[in-house]
Amino acid sequence: ETGVTQTPRHLVMGMTNKKSLKCEQHLGHNAMYWYKQSAKKPLELMFVYSLEERVENNSVPSRFSPECPNSSHLFLHLHTLQPEDSTLYLCASSQDVGTDTQYFGPGTRLTVL
Amino acid sequence: GNSVTQMEGPVTLSEEAFLTINCTYTATGYPSLFWYVQYPGEGLQLLLKATKADDKGSNKGFEATYRKETTSFHLEKGSVQVSDSAVYFCALITYNQGGKLIFGQGTELSVKP
Repeated sequence: ETGVTQTPRHLVMGMTNKKSLKCEQHLGHNAMYWYKQSAKKPLELMFVYSLEERVENNSVPSRFSPECPNSSHLFLHLHTLQPEDSTLYLCASSQDVGTDTQYFGPGTRLTVL
Repeated sequence: GNSVTQMEGPVTLSEEAFLTINCTYTATGYPSLFWYVQYPGEGLQLLLKATKADDKGSNKGFEATYRKETTSFHLEKGSVQVSDSAVYFCALITYNQGGKLIFGQGTELSVKP
C-alpha cells in the first residue's frame, strides 16, 4: 500500500448506529487531518493531529469523535449522526503541521438513513 | 481571514482547446498555493504547487504562476484531453493557521471529444 488509504470506501448507517472510519498513511508523515466535503461547499477542515496530539478542532459536533493512536493511523468515530451528515469524508497527511503539502486519501462516502 | 475564489463552473471545452481556470486569493502573510484535482469517485490529488512569489508550478502539462501583485494563481493547460475532465480546486495555506488548507469551491471541467 502506498500513500493514504481510507476504509471503508462507502458506508451506510442508521441514526442510532455507531461506526468508525479508518485512515492510514504510508508516507512517514507526522500530521493527519480529517476534512468534510459537502456538495457546493468548499472543503471543511474538521480535525488536525500532530504526532498523535490533536492541535485543531474546528467546532465540530461531538457526534464526531477522532482518535489518533499513532502517527500512521487516524480514526473518526461516528455516533447518533443525522441525515445531513451524509457526505464525503476525506483524510489527509503531511510531513508536519504548517505549510507542508497535504496528501489526500480516496475518501469515505457516508450515507446516514 | 484567508480566502480563495475560483471561477464558477462548469467549464466545457473541446479536446485540444486551451484551458484557463482563474483563482484569486486573500491572505495575511505569505501563503503557499496549490491546485488539486478530483476525478469522479476519487479523493483529491495534488496537481501542482508554488511556495513563493513568481514560482511556477507545473505537472502533466498544467501550469500556474504565483502572482503576488495580483494575488492570483490561475491554472492553464495548452491542450486539454478528455481524461482531464474533473473538478479542480485551488487552495492556500499559511504558516500559523494550524495546517488549515483553505479551498476554493472547485471548478468542474468537462472536455468533449
